[in-house]
Amino acid sequence: NAGVTQTPKFQVLKTGQSMTLQCAQDMNHNSMYWYRQDPGMGLRLIYYSASEGTTDKGEVPNGYNVSRLNKREFSLRLESAAPSQTSVYFCASSDSGLVDSGNTIYFGEGSWLTVV
Amino acid sequence: DAKTTQPPSMDCAEGRAANLPCNHSTISGNEYVYWYRQIHSQGPQYIIHGLKNNETNEMASLIITEDRKSSTLILPHATLRDTAVYYCIVRFYNAGNNRKLIWGLGTSLAVNP
Repeated sequence: NAGVTQTPKFQVLKTGQSMTLQCAQDMNHNSMYWYRQDPGMGLRLIYYSASEGTTDKGEVPNGYNVSRLNKREFSLRLESAAPSQTSVYFCASSDSGLVDSGNTIYFGEGSWLTVV
Repeated sequence: DAKTTQPPSMDCAEGRAANLPCNHSTISGNEYVYWYRQIHSQGPQYIIHGLKNNETNEMASLIITEDRKSSTLILPHATLRDTAVYYCIVRFYNAGNNRKLIWGLGTSLAVNP
């Protein structure tokens, strides 16, 4: 059972380059998320998708775009990478109903991005 | 969602119980207490959640005070693999509120041999 899978795990970019982080979940979850985590700071939400076809900005959306390709996949794109976007990125998913699933958020293993 | 306060770090001897406190004095009546942990270089992992009753699962126990203003996560027999950052979060049950979660810095638990 793969859960949440994100790729690539490591990436080095030059300032101004673009790239897309891919994320897929196999738990049939409606909601998906992209977070970033920086030293000395908690997880911060970049973008959120409540269901296929919908996306919403989180706490730190500037410099990013997202695409909810289908129910399984939620990608994060950096159009013109900046050193301030050096971070660890986590994709996550959860149920969206009120069933007794605990509305647990399941995370991927993270993608380490360095912008030089 | 209510804010939580956790000690930045704790130590525990291997094989002993680890008791991680969390203060959530502004919690509202229908907010749940959730615990996650993040082992180094991995994504956060769900541990347990509760509303007002104490809860236990295969990973841990959650003790919530009667006034619900604080809680304690208990790892009954800590192992070296339990070394991680532990996050206490309070939130409404509806998953739509996941986007509003405040993760904070958690408690860094070091389990020592």
